[in-house]
Amino acid sequence: AQKVTQAQTEISVVEKEDVTLDCVYETRDTTYYLFWYKQPPSGELVFLIRRNSFDEQNEISGRYSWNFQKSTSSFNFTITASQVVDSAVYFCALSDPGEYSGAGSYQLTFGKGTKLSVIP
Amino acid sequence: GAVVSQHPSRVICKSGTSVKIECRSLDFQATTMFWYRQFPKQSLMLMATSNEGSKATYEQGVEKDKFLINHASLTLSTLTVTSAHPEDSSFYICSAGKGPSYEQYFGPGTRLTVT
Repeated sequence: AQKVTQAQTEISVVEKEDVTLDCVYETRDTTYYLFWYKQPPSGELVFLIRRNSFDEQNEISGRYSWNFQKSTSSFNFTITASQVVDSAVYFCALSDPGEYSGAGSYQLTFGKGTKLSVIP
Repeated sequence: GAVVSQHPSRVICKSGTSVKIECRSLDFQATTMFWYRQFPKQSLMLMATSNEGSKATYEQGVEKDKFLINHASLTLSTLTVTSAHPEDSSFYICSAGKGPSYEQYFGPGTRLTVT
């Protein structure tokens, strides 16, 4: 069965510090996608990144970087030089076919989220 | 591309009444739509999955007679909370997918308050 674990419930950092949010997943499928979303206080989910299971290259986008390691089933997210605007809840999610065999889209399994507070 | 809208963004209703939430894919055809509920400080919980033209598939523990889902077209799905009670107050989020696909596109959410 699919499972996503975000062990860190809440993290507080001082502005300009680096912070890493952990994500560990479980799946039986060989083809799957991993996602990170940001949810600010307004509630709207903001898509950050999508990574498929065959692409283990790390990715950097500005202050954000992601480390995907299949050997440890982890997809960690690092924010460099954090800013107050980074304060939000961050969700890691997994999409895989599971037992679904239809023509529609696959379900997403979300982690419980990590609340990041960046203190000025 | 891949924009999903929800309406209304906020709604307050009285206990016992019904409220309808609309989810629209604005620039693509959504073969699948998903409805989630999110309680404060919790993760998104999938309520149901609907494929266009088919009956929705509800997750265990979700009452299908209370949460009516209609996916009548490739761009519109509706969630109707019938006979709402205060415990139904929550943040409801829809998403849409262009199937078959691993990705979902999320709406901005609807905050429902039942008084």
